[in-house]
Amino acid sequence: DIQLTQSPSFLSASVGDRVTITCRASQGISSYLAWYQQKPGKAPKLLIYAASTLQSGVPSRFSGSGSGTEFTLTISSLQPEDFATYYCQQLNSYPRFGQGTRLEIK
Amino acid sequence: QVQLQESGPGLVKPSQTLSLTCTVSGGSISSGSYYWSWIRQPAGKGLEWIGRIYTSGSTNYNPSLKSRVTISVDTSKNQFSLKLSSVTAADTAVYYCARSTTWRRDFDYWGQGTLVTVSS
Repeated sequence: DIQLTQSPSFLSASVGDRVTITCRASQGISSYLAWYQQKPGKAPKLLIYAASTLQSGVPSRFSGSGSGTEFTLTISSLQPEDFATYYCQQLNSYPRFGQGTRLEIK
Repeated sequence: QVQLQESGPGLVKPSQTLSLTCTVSGGSISSGSYYWSWIRQPAGKGLEWIGRIYTSGSTNYNPSLKSRVTISVDTSKNQFSLKLSSVTAADTAVYYCARSTTWRRDFDYWGQGTLVTVSS
């Protein structure tokens, strides 16, 4: 059973900041990882799939990297609309999500 | 553009069966290589995958819920459904339906979610 651990669980940042969220898998999952953004009262939105491929329509300030057990989501310059909760999801066996990273305005 | 919409009772009594339906529009549920999933999220908590059905009708379930879950598909109505039996307050959550492709397996389309409360 593959576990995903995101860090940090909470992040406070300012508009224009560069932020990085990490997702670690308990065992190797190659590049079978996706990232989602969720705003309050809304369904999650797919940002990145296959660890580093940007979903159509997602701004290029979002990027993903990593393979195996360690993955990162980077937002190069935070915009006001980016303050949300972010989840990673492993795609290697049955779908499982990380616990989430809440990104708030400093 | 594919759209998914959940429907069903918002209140279920403990020990009863929760039943939800997801209606797919903008495409046929039986065309292409897709998984159709149910995912839930208790208030203030993370996302939990419940299970999925393939266009052929084969299913996979989260091992932690497998004994209580049934997912089925009605291709004539372009819908798939969730039944969760013997519910308790711990099953209170927003329930989402979502689509994934068999080759990528991420969830590219989601319903808006529906809140189901388990309470007497």
